[in-house]
Amino acid sequence: EVQLVESGGGWVQPGGSLRLSCAASGFTFSNYNMNWVRQAPGKGLEWLSYISLASGNIYYADSVKGRFTISRDNAKNSLYLQMDSLRAEDTAVYYCARNDLHFFSMDVWGKGTTVTVSS
Amino acid sequence: EKVMTQSPATLSVSPGERATLSCRASQSVGSNLAWYQQKPGQAPRLLIYGASTRATGIPARFSGSGSGTEFTLTISSLQSEDFAVYYCQQYNNLWTFGQGTKVEIK
Repeated sequence: EVQLVESGGGWVQPGGSLRLSCAASGFTFSNYNMNWVRQAPGKGLEWLSYISLASGNIYYADSVKGRFTISRDNAKNSLYLQMDSLRAEDTAVYYCARNDLHFFSMDVWGKGTTVTVSS
Repeated sequence: EKVMTQSPATLSVSPGERATLSCRASQSVGSNLAWYQQKPGQAPRLLIYGASTRATGIPARFSGSGSGTEFTLTISSLQSEDFAVYYCQQYNNLWTFGQGTKVEIK
């Protein structure tokens, strides 16, 4: 079964850091571009970051540029998001999502991990 | 940045009726447009990509149309499991989601 499972969410104080992980299974992870998307409570979806197959191309949304770092380890079938200088507005459910093999839509999503930034 | 605007914000429809959801892009995105369905407490699910191609396993009652800046998602005969929030997404230049349309039971 094709699956993405996020972990690493939790509560953190403003200014703190957190590292999210996304474990992939059921497909050849190294063949797919990957993304992080978040959803604040009661709000819509916000794309955050993209990483290509071999990490050669990386993009960020302006809202997280300079604070978040995406990375991947193809040997471990894992995607990561290092989040620094966290703010209250970063409180959200964070999803990892796979890009379709031939398009850039997102065809597989994890169930998400919740990040709460609060003092 | 390409801004995606969905309308209406909420659509009240009776089961069995047709639902038509709109998505407008601030600049042309060609056919690089996807639609997603999200139910409460669940991750989004890809319905349509390339503006009009149904994703694997998506029922034929879901159809997408449009190109450039104007797009439509049509659900031909709403089933109980279709009441959810629907998002459009452009992937022509990075990725941007619309704010969503909630389809609720009338």
